[in-house]
Amino acid sequence: RKEVEQDPGPFNVPEGATVAFNCTYSNSASQSFFWYRQDCRKEPKLLMSVYSSGNEDGRFTAQLNRASQYISLLIRDSKLSDSATYLCVVRGRSNDYKLSFGAGTTVTVRA
Amino acid sequence: DAGVIQSPRHEVTEMGQEVTLRCKPISGHNSLFWYRQTMMRGLELLIYFNNNVPIDDSGMPEDRFSAKMPNASFSTLKIQPSEPRDSAVYFCASSRSGANVLTFGAGSRLTVL
Repeated sequence: RKEVEQDPGPFNVPEGATVAFNCTYSNSASQSFFWYRQDCRKEPKLLMSVYSSGNEDGRFTAQLNRASQYISLLIRDSKLSDSATYLCVVRGRSNDYKLSFGAGTTVTVRA
Repeated sequence: DAGVIQSPRHEVTEMGQEVTLRCKPISGHNSLFWYRQTMMRGLELLIYFNNNVPIDDSGMPEDRFSAKMPNASFSTLKIQPSEPRDSAVYFCASSRSGANVLTFGAGSRLTVL
């Protein structure tokens, strides 16, 4: 079983729509969680960390469900520039250098 | 800050040739990672250095792959001899020790014919 699993999508949505997707992780001892964004043919970049109580960054909302071992990302009022692949990333322990990357969920926002 | 700098950005080579990829981490970052990304396998950690010392090379596919970090500002990933299945994008990333955030370079896209 992969450490981090994501629905690859693609999620095709019109501008202004809300899109949400999850990722699941297998290690119940995982401590830190992140969403990275990767544009086509570019490097991954940190989008946001995911905190236990959930957190927002503008139009982006991240949630963590430890009991069910999943993380979610919701994008409100989607823009064309939100088109990208979103990578779910999990760190095992707080001092663990290893990050486990999901394969990514592709979102395409159309005009 | 110039970010993580990788070279070359693109390399096309023939099977059997030696390939050397280069990385300059962000100044002050003492952790350096080499990743490989393919459509089939996603992002895979190849090797991790901390303070220029290789800590975990369990992700290096086989003996054809080697990595060095002779000083805090430079690392290389070498493939010798290269094979078509090595075709991928190779990313270098750096961070401060214990930091949660990795900063990736722009990647080196390798095609082995």
